[in-house]
Amino acid sequence: GAGVSQSPSNKVTEKGKDVELRCDPISGHTALYWYRQSLGQGLEFLIYFQGNSAPDKSGLPSDRFSAERTGGSVSTLTIQRTQQEDSAVYLCASSQDRVVYEQYFGPGTRLTVT
Amino acid sequence: GNSVTQMEGPVTLSEEAFLTINCTYTATGYPSLFWYVQYPGEGLQLLLKATKADDKGSNKGFEATYRKETTSFHLEKGSVQVSDSAVYFCALSLQGAQKLVFGQGTRLTINP
Repeated sequence: GAGVSQSPSNKVTEKGKDVELRCDPISGHTALYWYRQSLGQGLEFLIYFQGNSAPDKSGLPSDRFSAERTGGSVSTLTIQRTQQEDSAVYLCASSQDRVVYEQYFGPGTRLTVT
Repeated sequence: GNSVTQMEGPVTLSEEAFLTINCTYTATGYPSLFWYVQYPGEGLQLLLKATKADDKGSNKGFEATYRKETTSFHLEKGSVQVSDSAVYFCALSLQGAQKLVFGQGTRLTINP
């Protein structure tokens, strides 16, 4: 149907709390990606899913970050014990199979840790 | 490592001016190169791509040529419009690596 959707669009949380960010990819897209867009760091890759498995988690910045994908569709990015440096826009993208450049991006979730 | 360096912004031009946004890359192997654009309030979208040396990507009046000898992929447009105001990202991907490596982004503002 529609494009990639993400929720919430904005999230403000206190330092030390856990947060969950959700991504609904385009129907039929088997590949799903999470990126982080922050001031001073630009756009950074976090993790890639092919189906429900994550063959590349190399961009996750610490063990406080985890992600899962279920049913080959929805993905959740979880940040535990949030820190102020986690404040950023978290972008999700999806693509058909392994066509890397044809990634369709969602509008992002703006996370602010106070 | 693999990285992309873009000219720093912000860039402000008048309508109908010529645009160049510089992009150079460092990569192990032979990357594919892309320009993505983020219009205000919208998600990132692919603008153009080139998958091998000397390829020229083009779309919406924008062009970029994959120059292996200078490891560059500069974005150009002959006559910009107010509607081109956006943030532009240069990016690369390596064969076998399912991720994009982005530059810092360049904010472009076109004044009427």
